[in-house]
Order: sequence, then C-alpha cells, then structure tokens
Amino acid sequence: GDSVTQMEGPVTLSEEAFLTINCTYTATGYPSLFWYVQYPGEGLQLLLKATKADDKGSNKGFEATYRKETTSFHLEKGSVQVSDSAVYFCTLSKGTGANSKLTFGKGITLSVRP
Amino acid sequence: NAGVTQTPKFQVLKTGQSMTLQCAQDMNHEYMSWYRQDPGMGLRLIHYSVGAGITDQGEVPNGYNVSRSTTEDFPLRLLSAAPSQTSVYFCASRRDEDSNYGYTFGSGTRLTVV
Repeated sequence: GDSVTQMEGPVTLSEEAFLTINCTYTATGYPSLFWYVQYPGEGLQLLLKATKADDKGSNKGFEATYRKETTSFHLEKGSVQVSDSAVYFCTLSKGTGANSKLTFGKGITLSVRP
Repeated sequence: NAGVTQTPKFQVLKTGQSMTLQCAQDMNHEYMSWYRQDPGMGLRLIHYSVGAGITDQGEVPNGYNVSRSTTEDFPLRLLSAAPSQTSVYFCASRRDEDSNYGYTFGSGTRLTVV
C-alpha cells in the first residue's frame, strides 16, 4: 500500500537557521503531495502542496519540490523563526473525487530557539 | 468564521461509557472524515463520508460508529469506551470534486479513557 516516510525527529534549530525536513513516499500512480503543519493546541493546516512531478509548492517561506525520480518531497525554509515551531506532516493524496484518501507520515516536531 | 468545528475540546470517560464527538462544517463540503492522532503514528483514518447518507470505514474503524444525516454534521460515536481509544481526534472536510484540494481540519478533541 501507499506510505510516507519522514525523517526522525525532533528537530531543534536556532532562529534564522536553514531547515530541511526529508520526506519520501511509496505509491503507485500519480499522487498529490502535501505538507500540513500543526501548531501547539491546534488542528492541522495545509502549508503547501504539489500535484504533479516537478511542481514546487511554496507558502510562508517554505518550499517543497515534487521529485518523482527520487519519490521525495522535502520541506525547506531558508531562515526559520520561533513562530515556525510546530509539528510537520508530509502527506500524500491519491485517487479521484470521493475515492481520494490521505496517507500521513508520522510527523516531526520542530522547535526553534530564539 | 467558516471552517470545521469540533466539540468538546477535552473529555474524560470511564471505561464502558459512551459518548459522541461532534463535528460540523459550514463550507458545504461533501467529503468529511474522522482521524485519530497517536504519538509516533501520524493520523489514521477512522471513518469517512462522501455525502449525506453515505459513510464508509477507514483504516481503524473498530469501536466507532458514524452517521451523516446532513451535509454539515458528521458525529463520531464511541459506544463502549476503552483505554485504547485514548487519543486526539480530528474531523476534516474537503470539496468532493477536487481531490487535490487541501483538507480543512477541526481543532481536535482530546479524549482520555480511564
């Protein structure tokens, strides 16, 4: 079946450091890929998405490129802020319409120190 | 504000008690779903619905019932709570016609079964 593998956490960085969170997936067909973010005490929010190979999703300074050749969707940010402290989930969606389902990675906790 | 509303935010149950977690959305989304979030396991799909009157099982449906009498509401019922159901529960919805569209999540219900 489909699966998403995220790098082991937690990750602790200093403010303004460069961030990379690795994500690889296994799926047949042509999934769409997402990053969701969960801030403390809140639900998940869509951070960015890419729906086909070589697409780059971006939002709030975060970027991720859909790499079909390496089945990866790594999340990057050039300069993290304390407000970026959250749990990040790499996710894939496959199927069409009502048959579409989400498969989540385990999530990784990011803590950013002032 | 438009979105997904979950109630209650916190609940403590005794083993064997029953309760209903409420979920309502005001975006006219056809697709609604329930997930549980456990440490180190990401989110797992419990049940989902593709429209009023239509529900189906997800990855971990045992011990939970759902119904969908209206487009807006999708309650999750625990008939006889067990300690293994201690978790954080999220309701999510999306527009049915676009599987690449991001899901909207509620803020969650933290359930403890003692």
